[in-house]
Amino acid sequence: AQTVTQSQPEMSVQEAETVTLSCTYDTSENNYYLFWYKQPPSRQMILVIRQEAYKQQNATENRFSVNFQKAAKSFSLKISDSQLGDTAMYFCAFMKVNSGGGADGLTFGKGTHLIIQP
Amino acid sequence: DTEVTQTPKHLVMGMTNKKSLKCEQHMGHRAMYWYKQKAKKPPELMFVYSYEKLSINESVPSRFSPECPNSSLLNLHLHALQPEDSALYLCASSQGGWDGRNQPQHFGDGTRLSIL
Repeated sequence: AQTVTQSQPEMSVQEAETVTLSCTYDTSENNYYLFWYKQPPSRQMILVIRQEAYKQQNATENRFSVNFQKAAKSFSLKISDSQLGDTAMYFCAFMKVNSGGGADGLTFGKGTHLIIQP
Repeated sequence: DTEVTQTPKHLVMGMTNKKSLKCEQHMGHRAMYWYKQKAKKPPELMFVYSYEKLSINESVPSRFSPECPNSSLLNLHLHALQPEDSALYLCASSQGGWDGRNQPQHFGDGTRLSIL
């Protein structure tokens, strides 16, 4: 079984600042995917960014980027030029590659509540 | 608007009632999921339906039963629920293939379930 740990229950930064959310995980799997999801008060779970474990290059999506350290089992999310609309709960999630193809469920961390102050 | 549609958005039911939650996607995805999310907690996987095979989280009680009438629909039948089953129920879908680009799960808006 795998576990995902987010050690920051809540963070607050000023608008336009850069913020980094931390995530560590534990697994014996070698092939897996990592994701950051955002859940605003509207409750919809929105994919922010994803990383394939076999790729060494860190994923980026506009203002969002990750620092993926496979040996350390670390997967942090950096948000640049933060905006008020970034206020939400952020979940780090792990999914192993299903050996027979198909699909597997996500294992989530406990989440970090990010507040962007005007 | 989400590409995964869940109905109803809210449901209040008594412990003796039988009800169903509905989830539909039209993205041609081959895998669909049900998650349960309690307040201020992360989602927890309940079921995965992928390539016509059902996988069950063993901790899920039998009062929850999934049904997949076709590849775009995944229902969750509820019977004799308990107050602790009150939660947000999220449905998701994904391509379900080997390619990592197909793996991200797309979530619906959820059904807020309250058990009286």
